[in-house]
Amino acid sequence: GAGVSQSPRYKVAKRGQDVALRCDPISGHVSLFWYQQALGQGPEFLTYFQNEAQLDKSGLPSDRFFAERPEGSVSTLKIQRTQQEDSAVYLCASSLGGDWRYGYTFGSGTRLTVV
Amino acid sequence: AQSVAQPEDQVNVAEGNPLTVKCTYSVSGNPYLFWYVQYPNRGLQFLLKYITGDNLVKGSYGFEAEFNKSQTSFHLKKPSALVSDSALYFCAVIDVQGAQKLVFGQGTRLTINP
Repeated sequence: GAGVSQSPRYKVAKRGQDVALRCDPISGHVSLFWYQQALGQGPEFLTYFQNEAQLDKSGLPSDRFFAERPEGSVSTLKIQRTQQEDSAVYLCASSLGGDWRYGYTFGSGTRLTVV
Repeated sequence: AQSVAQPEDQVNVAEGNPLTVKCTYSVSGNPYLFWYVQYPNRGLQFLLKYITGDNLVKGSYGFEAEFNKSQTSFHLKKPSALVSDSALYFCAVIDVQGAQKLVFGQGTRLTINP
């Protein structure tokens, strides 16, 4: 597609529910990033894929967070047993190559509200 | 570790006046610096970046940024503000180790008053 697509745009989850957030990167983009943006804060890195390989997951805040990109294109961020502190906008970004000089394209994000 | 700081949570400017959004950085090695803008319910949009070379970087929508090594700053500027420039602005630096991820500041909300 023309841009990075994320779905759903909004998600309300009851505390304790599991959620799955989807990211469709630009076709052919090798690199894919997930960021978490809490209200009033800048985005914070969660995890990074190069094709299907998850090369960095150092930003995942707990073992309740899990991300996958099994075929090297679409990625899913899963949060188990959601907590109120998980409420945030989750942003996905993709890049053509494995080098930052290719630049990054961000999706519009998924706003997760845990009640 | 690479980091950037945006000392102002909010900046208010009258339409037609020049604007400045401040950013300072702390890096080991060469700084690769970015500015992004975020409109409501939209993703981050790239404005400009500094890699090397001229200290004055020109970007999208008439924005420019001045890299100052001695002051470790990378302030975003525009000579004449538009109401449509009202948005959230983020300074970022590349962490070139590993994932080459962007490390963002906390953001500055820019409001242009008609």
